[in-house]
Amino acid sequence: QKEVEQDPGPLSVPEGAIVSLNCTYSNSAFQYFMWYRQYSRKGPELLMYTYSSGNKEDGRFTAQVDKSSKYISLFIRDSQPSDSATYLCASPFQGAQKLVFGQGTRLTINP
Amino acid sequence: EPEVTQTPSHQVTQMGQEVILRCVPISNHLYFYWYRQILGQKVEFLVSFYNNEISEKSEIFDDQFSVERPDGSNFTLKIRSTKLEDSAMYFCATRLEGYEQYFGPGTRLTVT
Repeated sequence: QKEVEQDPGPLSVPEGAIVSLNCTYSNSAFQYFMWYRQYSRKGPELLMYTYSSGNKEDGRFTAQVDKSSKYISLFIRDSQPSDSATYLCASPFQGAQKLVFGQGTRLTINP
Repeated sequence: EPEVTQTPSHQVTQMGQEVILRCVPISNHLYFYWYRQILGQKVEFLVSFYNNEISEKSEIFDDQFSVERPDGSNFTLKIRSTKLEDSAMYFCATRLEGYEQYFGPGTRLTVT
């Protein structure tokens, strides 16, 4: 089993809200986690990556990994309309490190 | 900032025709990938390429698909005889030595 699961949403929040996006994974072989942002009909853009449990912060974005519950989260503070996009979690798997993606959560930030 | 580029941005082809999708990786990157995304579905791995050979391929990547790096810069995906179900966004991704993969903007393939 090498799945990564993500609620597809859609999720709609007002500008300035804190957004929480989540993924779960089933295989303990996943050790490294990434968050990508994808605008409509564009390529995934790497936002953040983490390789351990705990938090990693980059500006308004915080990535959190809880390996004991196989749960990964992305928090967006002070959300902006420009944050409206689909957010994808992913993990590299096995020798070639192919990325296994979640379904993506479509996020809309309303002005 | 270096980026992955892909051409064409949109390709329309008839069923049974051959298509070649092109990618220019970030110049010092070593590992190359193709993924596809059917509308409304997950991004799916197709193939990985390292040191001029395929390192892994998915069950999707059958004999109709091939990849090559013909001139040391371009990285191409060829579909020999396209089917309707090949209609999707195709993304090239590259990485250096860490785990982070950087994606191109994609080629939208429409098979009619």
